[in-house]
Amino acid sequence: GAVVSQHPSWVICKSGTSVKIECRSLDFQATTMFWYRQFPKQSLMLMATSNEGSKATYEQGVEKDKFLINHASLTLSTLTVTSAHPEDSSFYICSARDYGGRLGYTFGSGTRLTVV
Amino acid sequence: QKEVEQNSGPLSVPEGAIASLNCTYSDRGSQSFFWYRQYSGKSPELIMSIYSNGDKEDGRFTAQLNKASQYVSLLIRDSQPSDSATYLCAVNAGNNRKLIWGLGTSLGVNP
Repeated sequence: GAVVSQHPSWVICKSGTSVKIECRSLDFQATTMFWYRQFPKQSLMLMATSNEGSKATYEQGVEKDKFLINHASLTLSTLTVTSAHPEDSSFYICSARDYGGRLGYTFGSGTRLTVV
Repeated sequence: QKEVEQNSGPLSVPEGAIASLNCTYSDRGSQSFFWYRQYSGKSPELIMSIYSNGDKEDGRFTAQLNKASQYVSLLIRDSQPSDSATYLCAVNAGNNRKLIWGLGTSLGVNP
């Protein structure tokens, strides 16, 4: 089946630094990538949607200059949390969709970010 | 505003029983419906997808869709303790590729 590899699985960083999270589709072409954030005991919150080769579309209230998304190839998308602060500590999850959605939505394993 | 609603639970069932999870959605244009299971600290995993009215069965799981009532459900037969998780309902409204998520129902299966 379709697999999305997400790295790192967890990261601890100091306040003010930047963190990059990678998601790679291993056996299909991820035309669209969705980036989510999830706080404890809450549902998934969509942050942005990116299509390969295009600028990401951010959801209302999500700072595009803080959460940089790159989707330069059909197998790789990255989310960079810039100038991270403790309130950015959360579980970040990517989800990839192939062209036409035949494979559905495939989730990465998630990244637990802790900003200290 | 497009919404997906689920009972938050917790829903508790004994081992071997049938667990019934329900979801309603507001957008009549919705075309694709998904049930995901999420264990604590893990990312969601797809349990079932359904696109047309009626029932769809896969092993112990049955998804039921009623577009007229804007209702989708998930039945888990012979519930096992390993089924204890949060079940998320997600809906895709056609051309909009985004999934609209419910808040999830917490299920506990007691041995």
